Amino acid sequence: EPEVTQTPSHQVTQMGQEVILRCVPISNHLYFYWYRQILGQKVEFLVSFYNNEISEKSEIFDDQFSVERPDGSNFTLKIRSTKLEDSAMYFCASTKGRAPLYGYTFGSGTRLTVV
Amino acid sequence: GDSVTQMEGPVTLSEEAFLTINCTYTATGYPSLFWYVQYPGEGLQLLLKATKADDKGSNKGFEATYRKETTSFHLEKGSVQVSDSAVYFCALSEVATSYDKVIFGPGTSLSVIP
Repeated sequence: EPEVTQTPSHQVTQMGQEVILRCVPISNHLYFYWYRQILGQKVEFLVSFYNNEISEKSEIFDDQFSVERPDGSNFTLKIRSTKLEDSAMYFCASTKGRAPLYGYTFGSGTRLTVV
Repeated sequence: GDSVTQMEGPVTLSEEAFLTINCTYTATGYPSLFWYVQYPGEGLQLLLKATKADDKGSNKGFEATYRKETTSFHLEKGSVQVSDSAVYFCALSEVATSYDKVIFGPGTSLSVIP
C-alpha cells in the first residue's frame, strides 16, 4: 500500500536554528498538508498546499513557517528560527482529492525537539 | 466554530470486551466525520469515515454511525484485541468552512489487557 514518507524521524535543534522537515507524499495525490501534535495535546492543522501554492493556513503558521514542493515529489516544511514551543510531532499528509471526502494518508511523523 | 469532543481516557478493557468511544461534534453545516487511530510510535491512520447522515463507516471490526440528530459519531467494536491498544481520534471536515482542514478531537487512549 502506498505510503507517505517523512524524514528525519527525530530532529534535535537549538533554539533559533532553521529546520527543514521533509515529506514524500503518495505519487498520485494532489493535496498536501502539515499538522503538528504537541505532546499530550490535540493534532492541529498548520497548512494545506495545492497546485504549488498554499490553499489554507492556520494562525499557527506565521512568518516563521514556509512550505515548498521543490521538485514534484518532495514536500517540505521550513521553520526559520525555531522556538522552544515548536517542539512537537509534525505530520505530513496527502490526499487524492479534497479532505472532506477522502480523509488523509499521514506519514509517521517527525519528532522535533528544540533545546 | 467547528469542534469535536471525545470521551476522556484512558480506557482500559479486557480482551474480547465491547468497546464504545463517544464522540460528539459541533458544526455549522454537514461535515464529513472520521475516526483515526494512532498506534504507539506511529502516525495517524484513517480507520473509517462517513460523509452523510445515517452513513455507517466500518473497518477492521470497528463501526461508527453518523447521527445528525444527536451530532454524534460513536466508535464501537464488539470484541477488542490487545492489538487494538492505541489512541483514537474523532475528526470532522466541513466544506462549508474549509475545503482542506480536518479538526481533530483530543484523542482517547485505549489499553486492552489480555
